[in-house]
Amino acid sequence: GQNIDQPTEMTATEGAIVQINCTYQTSGFNGLFWYQQHAGEAPTFLSYNVLDGLEEKGRFSSFLSRSKGYSYLLLKELQMKDSASYLCAVQDSNYQLIWGAGTKLIIKP
Amino acid sequence: IAGITQAPTSQILAAGRRMTLRCTQDMRHNAMYWYRQDLGLGLRLIHYSNTAGTTGKGEVPDGYSVSRANTDDFPLTLASAVPSQTSVYFCASSDETSGPNEQFFGPGTRLTVL
Repeated sequence: GQNIDQPTEMTATEGAIVQINCTYQTSGFNGLFWYQQHAGEAPTFLSYNVLDGLEEKGRFSSFLSRSKGYSYLLLKELQMKDSASYLCAVQDSNYQLIWGAGTKLIIKP
Repeated sequence: IAGITQAPTSQILAAGRRMTLRCTQDMRHNAMYWYRQDLGLGLRLIHYSNTAGTTGKGEVPDGYSVSRANTDDFPLTLASAVPSQTSVYFCASSDETSGPNEQFFGPGTRLTVL
């Protein structure tokens, strides 16, 4: 079967760095996405990885290892507005997105 | 530019009633999707459409139907609502002709079936 695993909840301090991990087992792989979802709102696109390595975009970076079925999202210089759920999704062999349940990130002052 | 709009924002529905959730996008994206999101679960694909005139079943299609008469609109119909269809429904679209095919989401419809 297809499976995306990520921690249910994480807590971090304002100004710090946090790493949110995602492991996956899917039928085929055509890229991995990270989305941010604030409570009561729609998911919004953060990053996309299709090749191994690190993609950096401002305070956010995403890493992919296809051989390990593993990705992480790194958030630096945390701000209170980063409190949200972070969703990992893998595009499978049919180009459909398989979604993890999301990681709720709580930022404390 | 609105992006993707959904209507209604929220709805309380009696079991057995028919309901259509509306979704419209103005980005001329070829692909559109309907998801449901339930607490503790990831987004689950209900139906999708890769282009106007075609539709496909996702992971949880039972009890739902869709149509794609044109590029912009992708309504989702619950023929006879049941309480297990209580959920938040998101419509999304993507341009599969270029780029990483990221999906853009509408604001969602919160549906309660009693």
